[in-house]
Amino acid sequence: GEDVEQSLFLSVREGDSSVINCTYTDSSSTYLYWYKQEPGAGLQLLTYIFSNMDMKQDQRLTVLLNKKDKHLSLRIADTQTGDSAIYFCADPSGNTPLVFGKGTRLSVIA
Amino acid sequence: DTGVSQDPRHKITKRGQNVTFRCDPISEHNRLYWYRQTLGQGPEFLTYFQNEAQLEKSRLLSDRFSAERPKGSFSTLEIQRTEQGDSAMYLCASSSEHSGNTIYFGEGSWLTVV
Repeated sequence: GEDVEQSLFLSVREGDSSVINCTYTDSSSTYLYWYKQEPGAGLQLLTYIFSNMDMKQDQRLTVLLNKKDKHLSLRIADTQTGDSAIYFCADPSGNTPLVFGKGTRLSVIA
Repeated sequence: DTGVSQDPRHKITKRGQNVTFRCDPISEHNRLYWYRQTLGQGPEFLTYFQNEAQLEKSRLLSDRFSAERPKGSFSTLEIQRTEQGDSAMYLCASSSEHSGNTIYFGEGSWLTVV
């Protein structure tokens, strides 16, 4: 079945850029997604990218998609303490609407 | 648009009891999903509905779990004879096939089985 992999932890200083990486195995998806989860809360849709795009920019967020390598990344510019959360990459696969990675815990140091 | 609403937000129950969670999707979203998330893991798919039809069920959904969406609007997820391993956050989400099928999640229902 589909496998979505992410590194588990990332620590950055406030004001720096954060880059969260994800690899996936099912390349048939139309969209790929990034969600954010704050402690004790549900998942907030951050952004998504259509599979025929290489890049999508949305304010401080930049998503890069490398379909050949099945690699997705999320860059957060000027990272703030409020960006501290767990970030999930998600990919639809077969009959499963979304398959999630284990999430990357982003810690922002003031 | 009030977003996806789940109730209750927290539930503590004794092992062996039955629990039921309710989900109200975003208005006019015809697809509704249930996921389960345990500590340190990503959400895992349980089941989804298109209107009132349950189209897909994960092998994670054992016989003790049942989900319904009788009128194609709100949904319930019932867990019978709860076990400690059922302790998790149960997330509901919804989408519309007419808006790119972007999936929006609720705040989740935390279940603790003691």
